[in-house]
Amino acid sequence: SYEVTQPPSVSVSPGQTARITCSGAGLSRQYVYWYQQKSGQAPVLVIYKDAERPTGIPERFSGSSSGTTSTLTISGVQAEDEADYYCQSADISGFYPDKLFGGGTKLTVL
Amino acid sequence: QLQLQESGPGLVKPSETLTLTCAVSGDSISGSNYYWGWIRQPPGKGLEWLGSIDYSGTTYYSPSLKSRVTMSVDTSKNQMSLKMSSVTAADTAVYYCARERIESGDIEGFGDWGQGTLVIVSS
Repeated sequence: SYEVTQPPSVSVSPGQTARITCSGAGLSRQYVYWYQQKSGQAPVLVIYKDAERPTGIPERFSGSSSGTTSTLTISGVQAEDEADYYCQSADISGFYPDKLFGGGTKLTVL
Repeated sequence: QLQLQESGPGLVKPSETLTLTCAVSGDSISGSNYYWGWIRQPPGKGLEWLGSIDYSGTTYYSPSLKSRVTMSVDTSKNQMSLKMSSVTAADTAVYYCARERIESGDIEGFGDWGQGTLVIVSS
């Protein structure tokens, strides 16, 4: 199984663009999913299959993937976007499939 | 509106078996387009997938926990369950149940989550 790595923290001012990366050897072969988790709440899916946005998720959330790195981009960051963000992928190279989460990135809106 | 509600003992003794239930309302657990999963989060830490199950009872467990985890579905009660044996303090966490949609063979992520239930392992 491979590791999925995220930066521990990202800080941006309101209105700026936040980019959160997710890296892992297997990401070039598997979709990446992104979850937003606000303090004391359950996670919310904000991006699936690298770049698809679920119904109800604001257009300022977008995702992209290139090689072994995926990126969650939040354009025009708002105060309400302050949260922990987790990427998730899969590893099917072993005998048993595995779902892997990154360690999470704390987004601070200055 | 789908609702997922986890329930179980808030406190479990070391070496015992943890049992949690996830009650599903607003949709049938028997739908063939979904996997139902368990994810946990130790206090102040990140998310960890424990396993998933489909309506037929086919299971997929985390390789690191496979020897201790058992999941099941009860379609008559519209709920699923998680059993984790030989728990230790390291298993203290908020446990979430979640639903994962499958569309045209592609997994679309855990789009629906319960509120989570805190389980503390302590004597």
